[in-house]
This record gives sequence, C-alpha cells and structure tokens, in this order.
Amino acid sequence: DSGVTQTPKHLITATGQRVTLRCSPRSGDLSVYWYQQSLDQGLQFLIQYYNGEERAKGNILERFSAQQFPDLHSELNLSSLELGDSALYFCASSVTWTGGETQYFGPGTRLLVL
Amino acid sequence: AQKITQTQPGMFVQEKEAVTLDCTYDTSDQSYGLFWYKQPSSGEMIFLIYQGSYDEQNATEGRYSLNFQKARKSANLVISASQLGDSAMYFCAMNPESNRLAFGKGNQVVVIP
Repeated sequence: DSGVTQTPKHLITATGQRVTLRCSPRSGDLSVYWYQQSLDQGLQFLIQYYNGEERAKGNILERFSAQQFPDLHSELNLSSLELGDSALYFCASSVTWTGGETQYFGPGTRLLVL
Repeated sequence: AQKITQTQPGMFVQEKEAVTLDCTYDTSDQSYGLFWYKQPSSGEMIFLIYQGSYDEQNATEGRYSLNFQKARKSANLVISASQLGDSAMYFCAMNPESNRLAFGKGNQVVVIP
C-alpha cells in the first residue's frame, strides 16, 4: 500500500458525459501528479500540482482540468468524454517537486467510456 | 524531451533464476533520476528502485538492483532469484528537474515454476 488513495476504482460512463476522479496523496506529500495509461499511448504525464498550485502541464487535453485543494487532495475532471478517453488514470504524490524524487502511485481509476 | 526505450519482447523466466530487463534513455539534462516500477495484472504501479544520475554506486533494494551505465545511457533492472509473484509488467522511467516522469513502454515478465 503506497499510502495514495484514489476513488472511484472503476467508472463506466457514456460519451459526452463528465466525470471527476479523486486523489488523496500520502501524508506529508505536497505534490500530486496525474498520469493516463492507455493501450495506444502508454503512460503519459498529464499535470502536476504542488501545494495547491499548478506546477507543470503535460499532454492534457483542454477537456480535462484538475485542481488541488487546501487539504492537498486533488481532483481530475474529464468532460465531453470520448471513447478514446477510456484508460487507467493514476495519481501519484511526492514530498516536493524536485527532480529525482520518488513518486508513489495510487491504485488507479479505470475509466470506461461507452 | 526525454525518451525511454524498452525493446525486449515478453520474457519467460524460470523460478529462482535471475532476469535482466533492459532500459536505455536519452536526455540532455545533467541531473536526473531513473526509476523502475512494477505493474502486476491488478493494475497498481509499485515503486521498486531509484538511481540518481550522480550516484556512483549502483542502487540495490533487496532482490532488485539497477545496473547503471551513464556513458551508455542505460539503466537495466536485475531481479535475482525470481519468484512467481514477480510476474508483471516492468516500467523504466526517468525524471529530470521538472520531476514529471517519462515512461518506457514496459517489459512483460512471466515467471514459470
């Protein structure tokens, strides 16, 4: 158990819908990262927050947004869902944001868009 | 941009034998970290081992060791005394100063009794 929690574990929804994925980092970690794992794209970095502020952005679609709250939990919002958004979404956390720091991953949310 | 290459096809390993998983990377950054993660069929990503680019000694964590050759830009994972529970996908990753992880495509390992 990495100490990072994610809810829900599974999500099935329809095209055009909006969903929210939730992540709680390990105790003491201030940085939260979101990654998407799909069969065709592999594991891709989406976005990073540090202590409530956006720190880095990767290949995140405009239909996706995220935020980190004062209690450090984070939410990833996916809207106008398409079939291609079906993937495993991971949240990871680390103490700070410096390079070389280990990120610990949550169990993931498996999203299926029908 | 960083690039991680894992090109080995799926591997079958006899229980109790050692296995080496290849990883090469490409970066222009001077300071970076190299990581290996394990993803069993259940889907979670489990951190295994870390090597800093300035570390002179190869990292070890229990049965895992990282064979780091900086000049060749390779960071191979060695799993000694394979166990059935080692059957999984293994991902090599790196993060430079920005700390975002760039992953390879993974190596599938199946341990057979």
